[in-house]
Amino acid sequence: ELKVEQNPLFLSMQEGKNYTIYCNYSTTSDRLYWYRQDPGKSLESLFVLLSNGAVKQEGRLMASLDTKARLSTLHITAAVHDLSATYFCAVNDMRFGAGTRLTVKP
Amino acid sequence: DTGVSQDPRHKITKRGQNVTFRCDPISEHNRLYWYRQTLGQGPEFLTYFQNEAQLEKSRLLSDRFSAERPKGSFSTLEIQRTEQGDSAMYLCASVSTHEQYFGPGTRLTVT
Repeated sequence: ELKVEQNPLFLSMQEGKNYTIYCNYSTTSDRLYWYRQDPGKSLESLFVLLSNGAVKQEGRLMASLDTKARLSTLHITAAVHDLSATYFCAVNDMRFGAGTRLTVKP
Repeated sequence: DTGVSQDPRHKITKRGQNVTFRCDPISEHNRLYWYRQTLGQGPEFLTYFQNEAQLEKSRLLSDRFSAERPKGSFSTLEIQRTEQGDSAMYLCASVSTHEQYFGPGTRLTVT
């Protein structure tokens, strides 16, 4: 059975700091997705990673994929309040982790 | 606007009633997924279609849930004899090889 685990589940960080969210999965996957969800809203696609070693960056967010380790990371650089949201990873046929609830404090 | 629409956006129903939700995906996307999400949880996979074929259905899904995607276009999700535990946000996702977009969701409240 496919398991997708994210950690941490909750993250409170100061503006300007850096941090990394981890996504581990239990079976082989040829793609990995990252999403953002604001309270009461639907999911917004951030990145699709399609191969081992893939790295994508958008603004203060950078995602990477290591298919051998079955690990993806979402790195946050110099966090700002607007990044406060819940971040989800998903693998293969769109199976999701539990999410990381990020709060960025001034 | 992602180009994926869901209708209705909100539904309040009494326990025991049947409800049906609709999802209109992006026309070029051949895969369509349904999820249920409750507060503080990740999206829970319900079922998915490739074109008109329903390829997988969650084992957690009771027989009260059924989904269709006639002609590989829009999809409907029906819940029969609703229970209070069915209260949740129901999301659909429209997926192609390199793109995936979620609809705005249908929030179901069962009273």
